[in-house]
This record gives sequence, structure tokens and C-alpha cells, in this order.
Amino acid sequence: GAVVSQHPSWVICKSGTSVKIECRSLDFQATTMFWYRQFPKQSLMLMATSNEGSKATYEQGVEKDKFLINHASLTLSTLTVTSAHPEDSSFYICSARLADYEQYFGPGTRLTVT
Amino acid sequence: GQNIDQPTEMTATEGAIVQINCTYQTSGFNGLFWYQQHAGEAPTFLSYNVLDGLEEKGRFSSFLSRSKGYSYLLLKELQMKDSASYLCAAMDSNYQLIWGAGTKLIIKP
Repeated sequence: GAVVSQHPSWVICKSGTSVKIECRSLDFQATTMFWYRQFPKQSLMLMATSNEGSKATYEQGVEKDKFLINHASLTLSTLTVTSAHPEDSSFYICSARLADYEQYFGPGTRLTVT
Repeated sequence: GQNIDQPTEMTATEGAIVQINCTYQTSGFNGLFWYQQHAGEAPTFLSYNVLDGLEEKGRFSSFLSRSKGYSYLLLKELQMKDSASYLCAAMDSNYQLIWGAGTKLIIKP
């Protein structure tokens, strides 16, 4: 089956620093990847759609200068949380689209900002 | 607007059957997905329905009525490991998933 990995699985950083999260499709090429954020006991919130070779499309209310997305290749997308604050602490999940109806999720990255 | 509704929490007994309902309103429709999510983990795919009717897959079945904007996930022979959140998501005309808030299923022995 299609596998998506994320790295790191968890990270603790200090307020004001930047953190980069990688999302890789291991056995398929994904022209489109998605980044989600999930707060405790809440559903997934789509942050942005990442398309290979072009700029990401951000959802309303998501700061594109704070959450930098780079989809450098067909198997890698990165999310960089810049100048992180405690309110950015969350569970960040990526998914990669294999086909219109097939989307596979990474295991998630738990970010804690102190 | 686009909207997905599902119950917040349900409780069932080990060995029993439980049905989790989901209603949706989307701009266009390209199918209805059910995902299972254990605490602290990413969602895992359970089912996909795009035509009306019941799709059975082992202990889990999923039903769709497009005319009613309604789906349900049926879990049979419940096991303790089925305790999780179950997410309903509808795919709109842009092939984007619109997510429900999830139903937390608690299984009691």
C-alpha cells in the first residue's frame, strides 16, 4: 500500500524559533500534498494544499508567511513554522494524493512550543 | 456553505453493534469517506462510497444515500480496540475533503 512518512514525529522548540516538518511519499509520486493541523479533541483543519513546482494554496485564516510550505519534488513537501509561539503547539498531519479519490496520511508530527 | 455533522460521542458494549451517522452538505460531491483515528495518531482509511447503497468490509460496513446527504458507518462485533474517533469526510467538486468533527466511540466491556 501507499506509505507516507513524516519527520520528526515529535519536536519541542523554544518560542521564536523555526521548525521544519518533512512529509514524504515513499512508494508513489504525489503532485498534491495537504497539510492539516489538529488541536486536542477537534477535527482536522486543512491549512494548505501543496502542489509540486508551484506555490501552495492556503486556507482562509492561515498565515502563509508564518507557515512556509515547499513542495520541492514529487515525493517531498515541507512545512516550516516560523517564529513559533506556544499557540502553534498542535498535531500537524500531512497527506499525499495518489489519485482523485485516494489520499494517504502521514503519522503526524506533534509540535510543542515552550 | 459546506458542512458535515456527526455525533460527538457514542458508547457501546464489546461484542455489540454500533451505527455512526453522518450528514453532509457540499458544493458538488465526489464521494464520502470514513476514517478511524486513535488518540495521538493520524487517521487511517476505512471506506469510500460514491454510489448509493451499502459497502461491506469485514466487521465494518458503510452506507450512502446521496439524495438524503446521509451516510453511516456500521461496526459489528465490537472489540475494545475499536475505541477511537471516527471521522466522516465528504469530497467536494474540487476533490477536496470536507471533514466532520469526528465521533468518539467508547467501548465498554
